[in-house]
Amino acid sequence: QKEVEQDPGPLSVPEGAIVSLNCTYSNSAFQYFMWYRQYSRKGPELLMYTYSSGNKEDGRFTAQVDKSSKYISLFIRDSQPSDSATYLCAMTDQAGTALIFGKGTTLSVSS
Amino acid sequence: DTAVSQTPKYLVTQMGNDKSIKCEQNLGHDTMYWYKQDSKKFLKIMFSYNNKELIINETVPNRFSPKSPDKAHLNLHINSLELGDSAVYFCASTRGGASYNEQFFGPGTRLTVL
Repeated sequence: QKEVEQDPGPLSVPEGAIVSLNCTYSNSAFQYFMWYRQYSRKGPELLMYTYSSGNKEDGRFTAQVDKSSKYISLFIRDSQPSDSATYLCAMTDQAGTALIFGKGTTLSVSS
Repeated sequence: DTAVSQTPKYLVTQMGNDKSIKCEQNLGHDTMYWYKQDSKKFLKIMFSYNNKELIINETVPNRFSPKSPDKAHLNLHINSLELGDSAVYFCASTRGGASYNEQFFGPGTRLTVL
């Protein structure tokens, strides 16, 4: 079993839809959870950051962490064509030695 | 005003050749990374340097050798290139020594080995 599992999609939704992206993980030592967004032929960029369990909201984006289930989610409300990208979950432990990425989910939002 | 830059952006070469990729950051960060992203978008850490000191050295073939001449630069040299080395290589940097700090990625170097 890989440390971080993420459904690669692709996921296609119409503009305005609510999108749910998810990752599961096996290492209970993970404490920091991130979502990076990667546009085609670009480097990833940090989108959301959460420490330990709980929710975090930033505009149309909400990140959720459920450490008891080892499950993290990213919700996108009112999705826009500009949200079309690959979304990579990433996580690391308290020491922050290495960031472990999921395989990424490719999202396409059509207008 | 580029934060993290990599050269070259594209690299096409024959099997068995030796090549280098260069990375520079002007963010004043202490830590730099090399990642490999395969054709399925899986991004995996290869190396990490903090203030010119190697701190992460994942299981990669010893044909790959990183070098950090100063904390703003991290280069990657690859010997005896193989078909399986074809991928996009990303350099990243972060403040401090912990990978949970925001990492800033370069544009990537797309390596194709023929």
